[in-house]
Amino acid sequence: GAVVSQHPSWVICKSGTSVKIECRSLDFQATTMFWYRQFPKQSLMLMATSNEGSKATYEQGVEKDKFLINHASLTLSTLTVTSAHPEDSSFYICSAREGSGNYNEQFFGPGTRLTVL
Amino acid sequence: QKEVEQDPGPLSVPEGAIVSLNCTYSNSAFQYFMWYRQYSRKGPELLMYTYSSGNKEDGRFTAQVDKSSKYISLFIRDSQPSDSATYLCAMGMEYGNKLVFGAGTILRVKS
Repeated sequence: GAVVSQHPSWVICKSGTSVKIECRSLDFQATTMFWYRQFPKQSLMLMATSNEGSKATYEQGVEKDKFLINHASLTLSTLTVTSAHPEDSSFYICSAREGSGNYNEQFFGPGTRLTVL
Repeated sequence: QKEVEQDPGPLSVPEGAIVSLNCTYSNSAFQYFMWYRQYSRKGPELLMYTYSSGNKEDGRFTAQVDKSSKYISLFIRDSQPSDSATYLCAMGMEYGNKLVFGAGTILRVKS
């Protein structure tokens, strides 16, 4: 099956710093990538949808200037959490989709656990 | 009211039991219904997907969708300790596009 990787798998940073998380599709070209956030014992919440070569579409309530998404190639999308604060501590998961038809599955990465001190 | 409601559990069963997991939803426009399994500190893995109403079976897993009641179920037969995980339902109006997830049900299968 299709494989999606994320790097790093976990990161601890100081409040006010920026953190970049990478999402890669290893064996397929992802025309669309999705970024989710999951707080403890809660569900995955979609943050934004990114299509290769275009600006990301953010969900309501997600600050686009704080969560910068770049999808510069068909195999790589990055999420940068700028000026991170403790309330940004969460599990960030990306997913990738090949193609644009109605029957294209989203393949999920293993997630990145961010802890902001 | 949340778009998708799912009892978080935990649900604890003995090995070999039949497990029933359920979600209800409010948006009648949902067409695609999925069940994901998520192990601790891992990303979700797709188990089953169903389009519109009906049943779908894959090995020990059976997914059911009742659109008239806005209710979906996942049944696991002959449950194994390795089935212990969080099970997330998800649904969407177009497969592969935006998905709305339930909160997830924690399942523990005891040997």
